[in-house]
Amino acid sequence: QTVVTQEPSFSVSPGGTVTLTCGLSSGSVSTTYYPTWYQQTPGQAPRTLIYNANTRSSGVPDRFSGSILGNKAALTITGAQADDESDYYCVLYMGRGIWVFGGGTKLTVL
Amino acid sequence: QVHLQESGPGLVEPSATLSLTCTVSGVSFSSNSYYWDWIRQPPGKGLEWLGSIYYSGDTYYNPSLRSRVTISIDTSKNQFSLNLSSVTAADTAMYYCARDRAVTGRVIDYWGQGTLVTVSS
Repeated sequence: QTVVTQEPSFSVSPGGTVTLTCGLSSGSVSTTYYPTWYQQTPGQAPRTLIYNANTRSSGVPDRFSGSILGNKAALTITGAQADDESDYYCVLYMGRGIWVFGGGTKLTVL
Repeated sequence: QVHLQESGPGLVEPSATLSLTCTVSGVSFSSNSYYWDWIRQPPGKGLEWLGSIYYSGDTYYNPSLRSRVTISIDTSKNQFSLNLSSVTAADTAMYYCARDRAVTGRVIDYWGQGTLVTVSS
């Protein structure tokens, strides 16, 4: 079964830039996988940040951006803020109605 | 505003069937633009997609859970439901229902607040 890979953890300094990635155990991520990125803080449901690889969801600050970098989907946070410290999940559409989530990245801002 | 609300027992006995319902408001529930999904998250762990249903009743399931998951829909009540059979402690999780929009792409965009289900005797 296909595994969606994410960095388990990442650290960024306040004001810095960080890029989180979302890959496949076999193959390359492309826009046909409709990569979606979520932010989740403790006790809350996930919040949709980016969908269709690079479309920002309504109300999401423009410091969050999505792209395809090489063979992975990527979420870049430019000018990280303290309240960006969260868990970030990606999900990929595998076709035939099937979605697969990545394991999530715990982002620390310090 | 799109709103999804999960409901159901918070405690289920081992080997029993877990049953949850999601009530949807603020959107055309029977639109051909949407699928309706169930997703879960064990305490301290990541998200797992369980399956989805279309207004027509077509269903799609996580292959690893296919033998235990059933999703149904009641368009007259704007509700869809999850049944997970033969549960064990490993099925203890926060269960979310969500909207899955299939217009100019595909995205699971709106989520319910989630409901915690504990499997224990």
